[in-house]
Amino acid sequence: EAAVTQSPRNKVTVTGGNVTLSCRQTNSHNYMYWYRQDTGHGLRLIHYSYGAGNLQIGDVPDGYKATRTTQEDFFLLLELASPSQTSLYFCASSDGTGGAEQFFGPGTRLTVL
Amino acid sequence: GDQVEQSPSALSLHEGTGSALRCNFTTTMRAVQWFRKNSRGSLINLFYLASGTKENGRLKSAFDSKERYSTLHIRDAQLEDSGTYFCAAVNTGNYKYVFGAGTRLKVIA
Repeated sequence: EAAVTQSPRNKVTVTGGNVTLSCRQTNSHNYMYWYRQDTGHGLRLIHYSYGAGNLQIGDVPDGYKATRTTQEDFFLLLELASPSQTSLYFCASSDGTGGAEQFFGPGTRLTVL
Repeated sequence: GDQVEQSPSALSLHEGTGSALRCNFTTTMRAVQWFRKNSRGSLINLFYLASGTKENGRLKSAFDSKERYSTLHIRDAQLEDSGTYFCAAVNTGNYKYVFGAGTRLKVIA
């Protein structure tokens, strides 16, 4: 059974729309991450968290909010979606003190029209 | 900021041949991961290394923190090895991974 799951797997919205991407991990990991991946680029870190209620700013945070409600659940929020946020979004988890091996979800493809 | 330079950006291999992918780091990293993004868009974990080398089937990876590089060797390439390969490294100062831009590998019959 997959240890990191994401929903939805595909989402289409319009400019200005409100989108929530969900991630759940059953690895009992402390760290969770949200990345975006665009053609010709590696994954870029949006936000991450080292525990419930904690949020850390990543490298490309503009236009995104995130919330870690439990150890298992990490949400990415786009409150006013823009076409530049059309991308493939990955969630990941890792244990311990961070910097440990990351395990990725299957990805969510978001299209903003 | 920390940079990861991944090369080559694209690679074509005939079935049965091999090659090496490389990531150079601008600073000392304490661990590196290699992934393959398959045709369905999923990220497959290949290796996690804090030092030395690891081997798994036709794949072998090495990480030299002091010399600031990591390599991924593919031998006897098969059609199903096609995809985009990424390295990602985390430095000694924080817990954020930095990714290379990827190598698009195409294995041809």
